[in-house]
Amino acid sequence: GAGVSQSPSNKVTEKGKDVELRCDPISGHTALYWYRQSLGQGLEFLIYFQGNSAPDKSGLPSDRFSAERTGGSVSTLTIQRTQQEDSAVYLCASSPTHYGYTFGSGTRLTVV
Amino acid sequence: DQQVKQNSPSLSVQEGRISILNCDYTNSMFDYFLWYKKYPAEGPTFLISISSIKDKNEDGRFTVFLNKSAKHLSLHIVPSQPGDSAVYFCAASAIAGANSKLTFGKGITLSVRP
Repeated sequence: GAGVSQSPSNKVTEKGKDVELRCDPISGHTALYWYRQSLGQGLEFLIYFQGNSAPDKSGLPSDRFSAERTGGSVSTLTIQRTQQEDSAVYLCASSPTHYGYTFGSGTRLTVV
Repeated sequence: DQQVKQNSPSLSVQEGRISILNCDYTNSMFDYFLWYKKYPAEGPTFLISISSIKDKNEDGRFTVFLNKSAKHLSLHIVPSQPGDSAVYFCAASAIAGANSKLTFGKGITLSVRP
C-alpha cells in the first residue's frame, strides 16, 4: 500500500489478557519504529528495527512488551498480561531514512 | 526526564495572523529537529525539519528557527489558516543523516479561529 497500515484501529481488552498489534510498513522502508502516546503525553519511543540489525529495544517499558519483524517487513507488537496503564495509542512508523518517518494511524488500545 | 519540552499545551490564534509554536530541548547531542502535525484519529505527518548546522529553514507558510545556544526552536506559521488547527509535535534526534529514533515533545494543540 501507499502508507503505513496498522491493525486493528481500535482494541478493547480485559486486564490480564495478551494483545497483538500489527504494522505493515511502506514497501522498501528498511527502518520500522513503534511509539505510543498515552493520554496527555508525547510520543514515547518503544522499539526500532533497522534491516537485519538487532532491534533497539531500549524503550520497551517492561518485559511484558515484545516485538518482532518478520522478513524485514510486517511487525507485530505483543503486550502480555495487559494492565490499565498500557492503555494508549500505539503508533508505528517506517522510514527509508530518518528524514522520511511515515506514521500509521495507530491502534487505540483500551484495557478495562 | 523530558528531553524535548513543549511547555505550552495549547495556542489559539486568529486566521491570517502568525502562529508561533515553541520547543526547548535539554540534550546537547541532538543535531536534527523536526516538526510533525497530527489530526485526530490520524498518525503524525512530517511538516518541516532543520539541521543543527542551520538556524532557519523555510517551506511556504512554515518556518522553523533554531537557537542552539538557547537549545530552543520555534515553528512559525504565516498566515495561519483554519486547516492548520491540529496538534504539533516537536521532535529531535542525535544522529543526523542516519536512521535514528526520534524523541518527541508532548505536543501543542493549535486552534486557528476563522
